[in-house]
Amino acid sequence: KQEVTQIPAALSVPEGENLVLNCSFTDSAIYNLQWFRQDPGKGLTSLLLIQSSQREQTSGRLNASLDKSSGRSTLYIAASQPGDSATYLCALANAGGTSYGKLTFGQGTILTVHP
Amino acid sequence: EAGVAQSPRYKIIEKRQSVAFWCNPISGHATLYWYQQILGQGPKLLIQFQNNGVVDDSQLPKDRFSAERLKGVDSTLKIQPAKLEDSAVYLCASSPLGGEQFFGPGTRLTVL
Repeated sequence: KQEVTQIPAALSVPEGENLVLNCSFTDSAIYNLQWFRQDPGKGLTSLLLIQSSQREQTSGRLNASLDKSSGRSTLYIAASQPGDSATYLCALANAGGTSYGKLTFGQGTILTVHP
Repeated sequence: EAGVAQSPRYKIIEKRQSVAFWCNPISGHATLYWYQQILGQGPKLLIQFQNNGVVDDSQLPKDRFSAERLKGVDSTLKIQPAKLEDSAVYLCASSPLGGEQFFGPGTRLTVL
């Protein structure tokens, strides 16, 4: 059974800092990994998707990496802004089986960027 | 391109009452998911549809929860009777086969 852990649970940084959010998982037989953003009271917004065969993806100030051998993914946010404040969720889709594509989520990291 | 639509956005009910949620996925997406997100936790899959067939409902409390996807498009999730512990946000997502999942805004359910 896939288990996903995100560290830290909460993070508070001053504006402008570069930061790293961590995600670890127990089963490396994954199909893809997604990082999501969730604002209070809102649904999930997909930030980046990394296929199993890829090592990283970049979008603007965001960079996500994937290391299946160590069961880890990181989300790097450059030059953080107050608008980046949200909960960030890591989710994995396992390969094969009857629930193909099913996402298993971590519990999230609550990020606060203060001016 | 229109996103995933859900309604209602908020619902407050008394325990033992029934409630239903509706989801309209992105056009052309074959796969539809319902997730339950309890406050402070990540979403948990309740049920997954491929077109109008159920692929995975292993974590759906079948004594009180039911879901259907008519004609492989819209879906409804029903709870009857509701319990206090069902208070959560119910998220609907859709994807092309095996692809990236896109989420709706969710329905926040409060059971009193």
